[in-house]
Amino acid sequence: EIVLTQSPATLSLSPGERATLSCRASQSVRYSLAWYQHKPGQAPRLLIHDASIRATGVPAKFSGSGSGTDFTLTINSLEPEDFAVYYCQQRANWPVTFGPGTKVDFK
Amino acid sequence: QAQLIQSGTEVKKPGASVKVSCEASGYTFARYGISWMRQAPGQGLEWMGWMNVINGDTKFGQKFQGRVTMSKDISTNTAYMELRSLSSGDTAIYYCARSIDYTSDFDLWGQGTLVTVSS
Repeated sequence: EIVLTQSPATLSLSPGERATLSCRASQSVRYSLAWYQHKPGQAPRLLIHDASIRATGVPAKFSGSGSGTDFTLTINSLEPEDFAVYYCQQRANWPVTFGPGTKVDFK
Repeated sequence: QAQLIQSGTEVKKPGASVKVSCEASGYTFARYGISWMRQAPGQGLEWMGWMNVINGDTKFGQKFQGRVTMSKDISTNTAYMELRSLSSGDTAIYYCARSIDYTSDFDLWGQGTLVTVSS
């Protein structure tokens, strides 16, 4: 199965700063990568699918890029509600797999 | 709006089974499949399997083959996941999520069901 690695494990930032999260796949997943936001006690939320397409209702401050094995999620101008754990997920090969997550927390 | 509502917290003894429900509302249940994921304490998300809610076809992760059953009740827009022969390693939050098939992403998730396995 495809292994996804996310870095950094924790990203400590202040409101207003930009967050840059990385996801690397053990083999090419083409553009078949999604990003999720997960807050404690809540359902995960799909942010980005197919590497760069924002899901319905997701604000433009979230953007995804990359293809093949290297992907990036960028969050511009962090707001308090953006502090959460972010997961990447590939669907290029069965079974779908998730990365271990990057926690974005307050500096 | 579309939502998936899961059943409540469960506490089970080792060797027991657990059945978690996932009720859909706000969308046409039959247009999507339902996948199940879990997250053990301190761990990432793990895909368990997927079910076609029209014909009941399923696809399971190898780790769960033979130990998981997925079912549905179209009349109540509800999907079920039953996991048998529980051990402490099955302690996790279990999530259902809407997905087209077993190689898709997940645009709608349930709130999660905590299952604790303890003697």
